[in-house]
Amino acid sequence: AQKITQTQPGMFVQEKEAVTLDCTYDTSDQSYGLFWYKQPSSGEMIFLIYQGSYDEQNATEGRYSLNFQKARKSTNLVISASQLGDSAMYFCAMRELNDDKLIFGTGTRLQVFP
Amino acid sequence: NAGVMQNPRHLVRRRGQEARLRCSPMKGHSHVYWYRQLPEEGLKFMVYLQKENIIDESGMPKERFSAEFPKEGPSILRIQQVVRGDSAAYFCASSRRDSTDTQYFGPGTRLTVL
Repeated sequence: AQKITQTQPGMFVQEKEAVTLDCTYDTSDQSYGLFWYKQPSSGEMIFLIYQGSYDEQNATEGRYSLNFQKARKSTNLVISASQLGDSAMYFCAMRELNDDKLIFGTGTRLQVFP
Repeated sequence: NAGVMQNPRHLVRRRGQEARLRCSPMKGHSHVYWYRQLPEEGLKFMVYLQKENIIDESGMPKERFSAEFPKEGPSILRIQQVVRGDSAAYFCASSRRDSTDTQYFGPGTRLTVL
């Protein structure tokens, strides 16, 4: 069973607008971490933001914030005030407490247009 | 630059040759992870190492692939007798296993097998 699901293969947003990228996950663990990474066309993987399963507040990091809904097992990334440089692939990932590896979704390609 | 270093950035090999990919973790990080990304896919875990120890190699192909993280020097991912299906981007990540255990990625090595 797929543990991380990103249902939006591609998204478009106009510059300065906000955009939400969806991510749902599946785990039976009570303790886990959720991560978002950005992969621009140059190919590197850039860590954006982290949410722990016991965190009561939604994580925020600059223009990035998470809409974490634990009961729904979703952790959507919100990018506010989009910039042209936000155009990239965005990957959601999860690490369960007793595991070492990150499990990645298939990604969402975001394109920001002027 | 104190980030994760990988070299080479691009590697071309003919079928049957060996590929050696190197990774130096971030300063203060003693945990190294290798992932593989096929075109248009998310990253897939291969192996997790600490200095001189392989902790989890559940994602490594059983043949031709090996990894090490010696006491001195970078971590090495070695692929013997490469085949065309080995063409991919190989990413190294490091962490220090703190409360979030965030993995920070290097720029990747893009392996092309002719």
